Amino acid sequence: DTGVSQDPRHKITKRGQNVTFRCDPISEHNRLYWYRQTLGQGPEFLTYFQNEAQLEKSRLLSDRFSAERPKGSFSTLEIQRTEQGDSAMYLCASQEGVAGALQETQYFGPGTRLLVL
Amino acid sequence: AQSVSQHNHHVILSEAASLELGCNYSYGGTVNLFWYVQYPGQHLQLLLKYFSGDPLVKGIKGFEAEFIKSKFSFNLRKPSVQWSDTAEYFCAVIPADRGSTLGRLYFGRGTQLTVWP
Repeated sequence: DTGVSQDPRHKITKRGQNVTFRCDPISEHNRLYWYRQTLGQGPEFLTYFQNEAQLEKSRLLSDRFSAERPKGSFSTLEIQRTEQGDSAMYLCASQEGVAGALQETQYFGPGTRLLVL
Repeated sequence: AQSVSQHNHHVILSEAASLELGCNYSYGGTVNLFWYVQYPGQHLQLLLKYFSGDPLVKGIKGFEAEFIKSKFSFNLRKPSVQWSDTAEYFCAVIPADRGSTLGRLYFGRGTQLTVWP
């Protein structure tokens, strides 16, 4: 499968613990997005990378959240001191980056479902 | 802030019935418009998209959508649904005014379509 992959697919943690999710985009896609989806809602934008540069962060991304894309390939999203309100599906999407970001298709991964107890 | 409204949260149809899912957005400038679908157990995938030109766009699996600028709408249609169309459908918008470079998708909350055989 050459699509976007995410790991783990499911994560259960206790409140206050740190968690880290990984996203592997489609090979040679240079744009990468993170979204969060809560029950009954559509995905909401969290942050965006162009290669290794983090170019935009949503106000949803509090100080407890950090994202990296160190070599412009895979990306990690870390949540420190998790809270019950962090329970959600975390989605990653990649985009080729040849044409404009506004028009190219974003390809989504299967997501990581986080449950904070 | 931009918002996307999907009026129907759950639609139930019999096979061969016609489908129309509503989508309205609040942004007053130029927009790019998308419909994504999520089949049970699968990740989000693109159905169709509109940037410019003919406001009636055709996508995969017999779906089409019509952009009506005066109504800020981008409704999804299919003349005859199949059981395999059972899925959640998301409308999404990217503001596309001159100078905008961020491909941040603004999603509606989704419409769950159930098709009975």
